[in-house]
Amino acid sequence: QSALTQPPSASGSPGQSVTISCTGTSSDVGGYKYVSWYQQHPGKAPKLMIYEVNKRPSGVPDRFSGSKSGNTASLTVSGLQAEDEADYYCSSYSGINNLLFGGGTKLTVL
Amino acid sequence: QLQLQESGPGLVKPSETLSLTCTVSGGSISTTSYYWGWIRQPPGKGLEWIGSMLYTGSTYYNPSLKSRVTLSVDTSKSQFSLNLTSVTATDTAVYYCGRRREAYFDYWGQGTLVTVSS
Repeated sequence: QSALTQPPSASGSPGQSVTISCTGTSSDVGGYKYVSWYQQHPGKAPKLMIYEVNKRPSGVPDRFSGSKSGNTASLTVSGLQAEDEADYYCSSYSGINNLLFGGGTKLTVL
Repeated sequence: QLQLQESGPGLVKPSETLSLTCTVSGGSISTTSYYWGWIRQPPGKGLEWIGSMLYTGSTYYNPSLKSRVTLSVDTSKSQFSLNLTSVTATDTAVYYCGRRREAYFDYWGQGTLVTVSS
């Protein structure tokens, strides 16, 4: 099983919107509703931001949203803020209780 | 508030076994609502799921690591553990334990760096 494909970097100015993609196959992203996104600041543990494609855990700002089309999932961060600068990882269920992660995207707030 | 804490040696020799324990506090480990699992992150690289288990002992492993990984649980101590055999330098990583619900991890430990070196 291969890792999910994410762009290595993304950027935007404060207040703008940025979308990060996560591409898999019909055996993972395209085949299940179980796509999640994590935010990781340097030296910290990942934090769950989106689960089941588009659901936000309690406490996550509604500036973060998720979607999926075919084998590609997306995370959109609206109204960019300085504290959104971090690495973002997608994850997908891939059958038989397996999980796949993406390679990560470094989001820079210009 | 649920908390998870990894513990174990920070240095392991090549060909030996990496052993880590995760202690769960602020909640029960004995529930079928959640899996308990491990994820690792080599320095400067991405995340890799290692495996997950239920408190009943049912285990699920990453196929790429399955031959070397064993997860176990000690409900009396609210702990679950990871054993990874025959380690090499490529197993050097920060190892995280976490609580998994469905197909996502909603609680994570702070992580512990394990270096494989002689």
